[in-house]
Amino acid sequence: QQQVKQSPQSLIVQKGGISIINCAYENTAFDYFPWYQQFPGKGPALLIAIRPDVSEKKEGRFTISFNKSAKQFSLHIMDSQPGDSATYFCAAKKSGNTPLVFGKGTRLSVIA
Amino acid sequence: KAGVTQTPRYLIKTRGQQVTLSCSPISGHRSVSWYQQTPGQGLQFLFEYFSETQRNKGNFPGRFSGRQFSNSRSEMNVSTLELGDSALYLCASSEQGPGDTQYFGPGTRLTVL
Repeated sequence: QQQVKQSPQSLIVQKGGISIINCAYENTAFDYFPWYQQFPGKGPALLIAIRPDVSEKKEGRFTISFNKSAKQFSLHIMDSQPGDSATYFCAAKKSGNTPLVFGKGTRLSVIA
Repeated sequence: KAGVTQTPRYLIKTRGQQVTLSCSPISGHRSVSWYQQTPGQGLQFLFEYFSETQRNKGNFPGRFSGRQFSNSRSEMNVSTLELGDSALYLCASSEQGPGDTQYFGPGTRLTVL
């Protein structure tokens, strides 16, 4: 049973365009939703995170949109650049010392 | 501060062998988590150690085990290797646990022949 479903698996976006990656979850006990970015040969790195008390969080060109009633959250990358080409993982966790549950990842390619 | 380091970076083993992977967390971090990353399954949680105690465990067979030392360094062991164990094994450290920001190491690429 996959607790966090991520789509699409891969995404190709033109430079300057908007990249959108979606995730859906089942467990209503989840209360922390981070996004990780992974470049080839590197471990994932935290990009941005949100808690369900807000519907949107923006950091630079990266925005998380959160829809609690639909149990969905998404990552928007504005003005996508070739340097954004990486694999992106959404994740979720319950409160306390519980582990992160990851989506299967989205490979983003930004082409010039 | 130095980041999370993992050794070795690459490893080739044959079926039936066992392997030990090592992780040194960021100085001051007491929680170490291990993940298996494969193309089809993404990142799957193996276990988390805090102050030398296993605090969380994922859904992996008993062939996968780990431990944490008093200096917070951690090792994971896989016994009786199977072809399906080929993966990137990632270690992540945080100050107190998964609720804090987790910092990942570069991983150990294990290939089982």
